[in-house]
Amino acid sequence: DTEVTQTPKHLVMGMTNKKSLKCEQHMGHRAMYWYKQKAKKPPELMFVYSYEKLSINESVPSRFSPECPNSSLLNLHLHALQPEDSALYLCASRKAGGPGHEQFFGPGTRLTVL
Amino acid sequence: QQQVKQSPQSLIVQKGGISIINCAYENTAFDYFPWYQQFPGKGPALLIAIRPDVSEKKEGRFTISFNKSAKQFSLHIMDSQPGDSATYFCATGAYGGATNKLIFGTGTLLAVQP
Repeated sequence: DTEVTQTPKHLVMGMTNKKSLKCEQHMGHRAMYWYKQKAKKPPELMFVYSYEKLSINESVPSRFSPECPNSSLLNLHLHALQPEDSALYLCASRKAGGPGHEQFFGPGTRLTVL
Repeated sequence: QQQVKQSPQSLIVQKGGISIINCAYENTAFDYFPWYQQFPGKGPALLIAIRPDVSEKKEGRFTISFNKSAKQFSLHIMDSQPGDSATYFCATGAYGGATNKLIFGTGTLLAVQP
């Protein structure tokens, strides 16, 4: 199984809502990533988890809250988002602890904030 | 500042032609140079990657050329097909390490006309 799955595929939320994005992989990867991608732009790194511990936070606003409950799951909790947060949110995973393994990306969650 | 400059922004090629996309990087500490392909509504997928100990790597119709002294690398797509129409991102990063943070180029939208 070389797949990263993300749910939901689409999400529409108001600025006062609380929602969560979910990412799952069963490749035994121990590094997991959240990216934000705006239309016609490259993926922009938000968070990196290594061995279930947050290792990189790219100065992301606190209205985005990541969580890694176990080695296969990665969540992104959303609260009080702004319309400019509308984007494609991508999850990726990689075999940590060794050199150069590729990052496998999921299909993303298309988020619209009204 | 870590940047990866990618050109052209968009490219139109006739079926059977050669597509060439170029990237220039700044940080000489980086030693991993992947190219990702992204179709609309999908996450990026690794196409081919190179390390600086070789000047060229070929996989099928896809070739990376690497010029360490110029800090440039390029993707060549031979015999371009309509199915190659996608957005291509170059990236740079450190080969080792637990998190393998990637710096992405700005992307090239390739359209292969039948």
